[in-house]
This record gives sequence, C-alpha cells and structure tokens, in this order.
Amino acid sequence: DSGVTQTPKHLITATGQRVTLRCSPRSGDLSVYWYQQSLDQGLQFLIQYYNGEERAKGNILERFSAQQFPDLHSELNLSSLELGDSALYFCASSPSTSGGLDTQYFGPGTRLTVL
Amino acid sequence: GDSVTQMEGPVTLSEEAFLTINCTYTATGYPSLFWYVQYPGEGLQLLLKATKADDKGSNKGFEATYRKETTSFHLEKGSVQVSDSAVYFCALSDRGAQKLVFGQGTRLTINP
Repeated sequence: DSGVTQTPKHLITATGQRVTLRCSPRSGDLSVYWYQQSLDQGLQFLIQYYNGEERAKGNILERFSAQQFPDLHSELNLSSLELGDSALYFCASSPSTSGGLDTQYFGPGTRLTVL
Repeated sequence: GDSVTQMEGPVTLSEEAFLTINCTYTATGYPSLFWYVQYPGEGLQLLLKATKADDKGSNKGFEATYRKETTSFHLEKGSVQVSDSAVYFCALSDRGAQKLVFGQGTRLTINP
C-alpha cells in the first residue's frame, strides 16, 4: 500500500459526459501528479500540482482540467468524453517539486470506460 | 525530448531462470532512473531507483546499474519466481522536470 488513495476504482460513462476523479496523496506529500495509461499511448504524464498550484503540464487535453485543494487532495475533471478517453488514470504523490530527486508513489488507479 | 526505450515483450521464462530486461534512455540532463512494477489489477510500485552514474539500485533480488556511458539501466534478477510475473516499466525523471517519462513496459510471465 503506497498511501495514495484514488476514487472511484471503476467508472463507466457515456460519450459526451463529464466525470471527476479524486486523489488523496500520502500524508505529508505536497506534490500530486496525474498520469494516463492507455494501450496505444502507454503511460503519459498529464499534469502536476504542488501545494495547490499548477507546476507542470504534459499531454493534457483542453477538455481535461485538474485542481489541488487546501487539504492537498486533487481532482481530475474530464469533460466531453470520447471513446478514446477510456484508460487507467493514475495519481502519484511526492514530498516536493524535485521530480528528479523524489520518488513518486502511485495510487491504485481509476479505470475509466467510455461507452 | 527525454525518452526511454525498453526491450519488446512479452518475455516468458521458467522459474529460477536468469532475467534481463533492457532499458536505454535519452536525456539532456542528468536524470534519475527508476524501475516500476505493475502486478495484475494493481497500480505501479517502485521496484528500485538510482540517482547518479554508477549507482546500483536493488530490491527483492532485482538489480539495475546506472550506466551513463551506455545510457542504460538494465534490470536483472538471478533467479525469477512465479510471483515476479508482472509488467515492468523503466522510467526517468530529469532533475529539473516535474514528471516521469516511462518506457512502453515489458510484460514478464514466469512459468513453474
């Protein structure tokens, strides 16, 4: 158990809908990262927050957004969903912004299926 | 940009066989290197890491050495078990970056 929690575990929805994925980082970790794992793209970095502020952006679509709240939990919002958004979404956390020095600890993931 | 290339899978071995999964990287800076493992139906777990050249990471009988001259971080284990069956990901993180860059993953199956 990494200490990172994600809810829900599974999500099934229809095209055009909007969903929210939630992540609680390990106790004391200030950074939260979101990754998407799909069969065709592999594991891709989406976005990072540090202590409530956006710090880095990767291959995140404009239909997707995220935020980190004062209690440090984070939410990833996916809107106008398409079939291709079906994937496993991981959250990870680390103590600070130094990605090269800190280990990122991953949650169990949320499996999103868009029908 | 930075990238990681892993050997193509799937890899199938018999129990107690020697394992090598090749990983090479391209990076402009001095990255930290990681091996993560994903067991069926689970998230990613850190297996081992190395933060500078010639460092050796080790855990649960697995080892990998950071080779700057060959830009490699190959994963090895002397005697694999059925319980090692999983997908293994090599990854890098540049000291200035805020993200992990992953290889495509190598599915390993160990037969009894």
